[in-house]
Amino acid sequence: EPEVTQTPSHQVTQMGQEVILRCVPISNHLYFYWYRQILGQKVEFLVSFYNNEISEKSEIFDDQFSVERPDGSNFTLKIRSTKLEDSAMYFCASTPRGQINQPQHFGDGTRLSIL
Amino acid sequence: LAKTTQPISMDSYEGQEVNITCSHNNIATNDYITWYQQFPSQGPRFIIQGYKTKVTNEVASLFIPADRKSSTLSLPRVSLSDTAVYYCLVGLLNTNAGKSTFGDGTTLTVKP
Repeated sequence: EPEVTQTPSHQVTQMGQEVILRCVPISNHLYFYWYRQILGQKVEFLVSFYNNEISEKSEIFDDQFSVERPDGSNFTLKIRSTKLEDSAMYFCASTPRGQINQPQHFGDGTRLSIL
Repeated sequence: LAKTTQPISMDSYEGQEVNITCSHNNIATNDYITWYQQFPSQGPRFIIQGYKTKVTNEVASLFIPADRKSSTLSLPRVSLSDTAVYYCLVGLLNTNAGKSTFGDGTTLTVKP
């Protein structure tokens, strides 16, 4: 079964540094998402992306965050100047276009640790 | 926002049937009900989705009453590997993902 793949599995970064998290969604999918989960807390929606633009974003997704689909396969999340509170698991997900109730397929996440 | 309420935790034993109920009183007409499973350090995994009545697949059943204000995920004959957090989401996931929030989930512990 096709999978969403995320790299790296663990990223350690100094506070204030930029970080880019990478995702390869399932190849025929057209909707892409980023979520985060702080240790022991809920899975939180960050942003959805369709047709090369952001379609929804949450309050968490402020000016420090950006997303990009630089080519036909990758989907990236950039955090410009990381803060300690950005430490979390970051999950990428994708869905095909099809019916509007399509559930998301999630990757296994990148654990981001800010020092 | 489609708010959901689930029990925080449940315990069961191997071989038993487990039913997890989710309340979603403000479900909208177009909303679907979707359940995910999450193991530690992994992303959520889709289990089952429904709109009304009953849906069954190879791993679970989903029961939705006529008023759709609640739903029950049924896991037949659980095993130790079913120990996980189970989330109920309500909404239109690909076009309104931001309005379909993951709640606290139900931590299911299956004992031998």
